[in-house]
Amino acid sequence: AQSVSQHNHHVILSEAASLELGCNYSYGGTVNLFWYVQYPGQHLQLLLKYFSGDPLVKGIKGFEAEFIKSKFSFNLRKPSVQWSDTAEYFCAVSTNTGNQFYFGTGTSLTVIP
Amino acid sequence: NAGVTQTPKFRVLKTGQSMTLLCAQDMNHEYMYWYRQDPGMGLRLIHYSVGEGTTAKGEVPDGYNVSRLKKQNFLLGLESAAPSQTSVYFCASRGRTGGYYGYTFGSGTRLTVV
Repeated sequence: AQSVSQHNHHVILSEAASLELGCNYSYGGTVNLFWYVQYPGQHLQLLLKYFSGDPLVKGIKGFEAEFIKSKFSFNLRKPSVQWSDTAEYFCAVSTNTGNQFYFGTGTSLTVIP
Repeated sequence: NAGVTQTPKFRVLKTGQSMTLLCAQDMNHEYMYWYRQDPGMGLRLIHYSVGEGTTAKGEVPDGYNVSRLKKQNFLLGLESAAPSQTSVYFCASRGRTGGYYGYTFGSGTRLTVV
């Protein structure tokens, strides 16, 4: 079965620091990759997605992610975080032939003003 | 507004009581899902449906039942609630090509079983 690993469970950063959250998946075929964000008390919202083409994907609010096929990774980055980025971040994987997404366990990001 | 609507938003149940969570979407999506979210465990799939009248088990189906009698609605039932079912429940939907476009999530139902 497919699996998604997020190794950073809780990250604390000061404002303006750079962010990188790791995501690795286990699936040998073609995948679609997503990052979702969940602000406190809210539902999950799509941050960015990759399904083909340029492996460097830009999303909303200055986030980007890089798909490295050889490493089965899809790490999320932001050059300079803000207090408003405090949230939980989920990586997710889907396949073109499957019916469901597979989510990582999430990374909680706290940004200190 | 188009999207996924979950009712109720909050509920407290006593052990052994039953209840039904309703998920409604107005985007004509074929696929619908029920997840539970627990601290440190991310989102775990309970049941899902690939179309009206069809349902399938996910990762953690025990203690739950579902029905998809109408395309726009996906119901999650707890026949005899247990404290282990205390969680936040999210419904999600996607279209047939949604493997590319991701899910649309509802705002969640916070359930406490005492």
